[in-house]
Amino acid sequence: GEEVAQTPKHLVRGEGQKAKLYCAPIKGHSYVFWYQQVLKNEFKFLISFQNENVFDETGMPKERFSAKCLPNSPCSLEIQATKLEDSAVYFCASSRPEDRYGEDTQYFGPGTRLTVL
Amino acid sequence: AQSVAQPEDQVNVAEGNPLTVKCTYSVSGNPYLFWYVQYPNRGLQFLLKYITGDNLVKGSYGFEAEFNKSQTSFHLKKPSALVSDSALYFCAVRDEEGFQKLVFGTGTRLLVSP
Repeated sequence: GEEVAQTPKHLVRGEGQKAKLYCAPIKGHSYVFWYQQVLKNEFKFLISFQNENVFDETGMPKERFSAKCLPNSPCSLEIQATKLEDSAVYFCASSRPEDRYGEDTQYFGPGTRLTVL
Repeated sequence: AQSVAQPEDQVNVAEGNPLTVKCTYSVSGNPYLFWYVQYPNRGLQFLLKYITGDNLVKGSYGFEAEFNKSQTSFHLKKPSALVSDSALYFCAVRDEEGFQKLVFGTGTRLLVSP
């Protein structure tokens, strides 16, 4: 598609439950990024993929967060045993393959709002 | 580490007046700079970017930004504001390590009054 698609729009989980978010990048884009937007609009980078390979996972809280981008499937971000502080909007972005070093623009999806109660 | 700063939490401007949203950056190499806009309950929309070349970059919806290397600034401008420009604006810089991730400023809320 011509836009990054994210599902669901909203997700409510009790503390300790699992949450799984999905992202379909723009067709032809081979880089996928996940960001977390918390209170006061702060953006935190989580992880990026080049096709199905992890490109940069320096922002991932590895003990509870995991992510995948498999061929012919939406990418996913999964949080095991959610905590109150995981409440945030999670954005996915994609970019084209031509430039490995970031000149190309990241296009963002509408986000998934996760509320942990 | 690279960073961007948006010194104003909010900018108020009357419709028809010019607007400026400020951004300063800190990088050790060449800066790759971006502006995005976020409308309520929406994702980020790309406005414009500076990679190299002309210091004045033109983007979507009549916005432009001026890259100033000596002042390490990349201010967003528009000659005549519209009420519909009211939104949250983010400046971002690309990570210098070659891994592409964006580092965002804290955002500036623009309010355009009729």
